Amino acid sequence: EAGVAQSPRYKIIEKRQSVAFWCNPISGHATLYWYQQILGQGPKLLIQFQNNGVVDDSQLPKDRFSAERLKGVDSTLKIQPAKLEDSAVYLCASSGDRYTYNEQFFGPGTRLTVL
Amino acid sequence: DAKTTQPNSMESNEEEPVHLPCNHSTISGTDYIHWYRQLPSQGPEYVIHGLTSNVNNRMASLAIAEDRKSSTLILHRATLRDAAVYYCILRESGGTSYGKLTFGQGTILTVHP
Repeated sequence: EAGVAQSPRYKIIEKRQSVAFWCNPISGHATLYWYQQILGQGPKLLIQFQNNGVVDDSQLPKDRFSAERLKGVDSTLKIQPAKLEDSAVYLCASSGDRYTYNEQFFGPGTRLTVL
Repeated sequence: DAKTTQPNSMESNEEEPVHLPCNHSTISGTDYIHWYRQLPSQGPEYVIHGLTSNVNNRMASLAIAEDRKSSTLILHRATLRDAAVYYCILRESGGTSYGKLTFGQGTILTVHP
């Protein structure tokens, strides 16, 4: 079974530039999550989708971050404009099929460096 | 969000059992106790979860105190591959927070050959 796919794996940009990350969840998973993990800390949930709809985006900095999940499958997370403090690993996770609904399956993450 | 408290770091020798403690004194009756681990340069990976009773799976065992205010993740025979950050998380159930995981700092487990 294919896992959660993310791209790119690494990205280096300058502050005030824009960047987008892509996530393809495990087939059949209705719930998709984006997390931000700053070096030395645990992951922090940014946004949670249930199919196409947003369930929780309370910790998403909406002035610069946006996310969408079209057709309830793939998702993109965008930052515009980026700040130095956005340097982190962005993790995508999915869950929700009938056999493993208690588990979140994480992708390898995208490491963002903002210079 | 319900909080958990874990030691910052622990060490073990290969092939010995490891007991990773977690305190969650403010746990509510519907919170599940989840454990995830994160190997270097990888995303977190699910280990085990439980509600009230002790649980076993192929990776580990979870011992839950009778009052549910603490739990212990047990790795029966540590291997070098078990070196990771271990997160104890209270998973909220119900409402719009269903399934949400709030990660803390976790415990860095070092396994010595």
